[in-house]
Amino acid sequence: GIQVEQSPPDLILQEGANSTLRCNFSDSVNNLQWFHQNPWGQLINLFYIPSGTKQNGRLSATTVATERYSLLYISSSQTTDSGVYFCAVDNNDMRFGAGTRLTVKP
Amino acid sequence: GAGVSQSPSNKVTEKGKDVELRCDPISGHTALYWYRQSLGQGLEFLIYFQGNSAPDKSGLPSDRFSAERTGGSVSTLTIQRTQQEDSAVYLCASSFGQLLINSPLHFGNGTRLTVT
Repeated sequence: GIQVEQSPPDLILQEGANSTLRCNFSDSVNNLQWFHQNPWGQLINLFYIPSGTKQNGRLSATTVATERYSLLYISSSQTTDSGVYFCAVDNNDMRFGAGTRLTVKP
Repeated sequence: GAGVSQSPSNKVTEKGKDVELRCDPISGHTALYWYRQSLGQGLEFLIYFQGNSAPDKSGLPSDRFSAERTGGSVSTLTIQRTQQEDSAVYLCASSFGQLLINSPLHFGNGTRLTVT
């Protein structure tokens, strides 16, 4: 099956810093989503982005489908950004990467 | 409904008992997924339904696990003879699947299963 790799596995930032999270996948995909899992376990849909670039406030994402990767950018990070960020890809069904655990310190 | 609904939200059961977890997808969503998440881990794919059929059952961990979906809507995940290693949060998600090109996945809040 398709392999989804996320990096880095853990990331610690000071409030206000910027970061880039990466998702690599091993095969062509029909769609790709980025999720944020908050400390209460809820999975929040951030971006549906099979290709191209999207922005939503301090967050933006870019997927280069031909090169099989996607990037999630977080600018001016806040403590509420803490949690786990998952990339999920659709290659007949939705498979998740192992996530990046982000901790933003005040 | 407003979102994906899962019940119960918490379930504590004794080892060896059977449990049934329920998922109510968003109305009109044809695709339905079950995932399992152990503490501090990622999401483990269990099974995927398109309508009432399950094209991919490869993620079910053992024959103690089964799932069904009827009427293209509600799905139940059944775990027989529960074991302590079954303790986890079981998450359900739904989408329009192949009906729409832009069809993001929406998650329920999960069922936290504890096997004692």
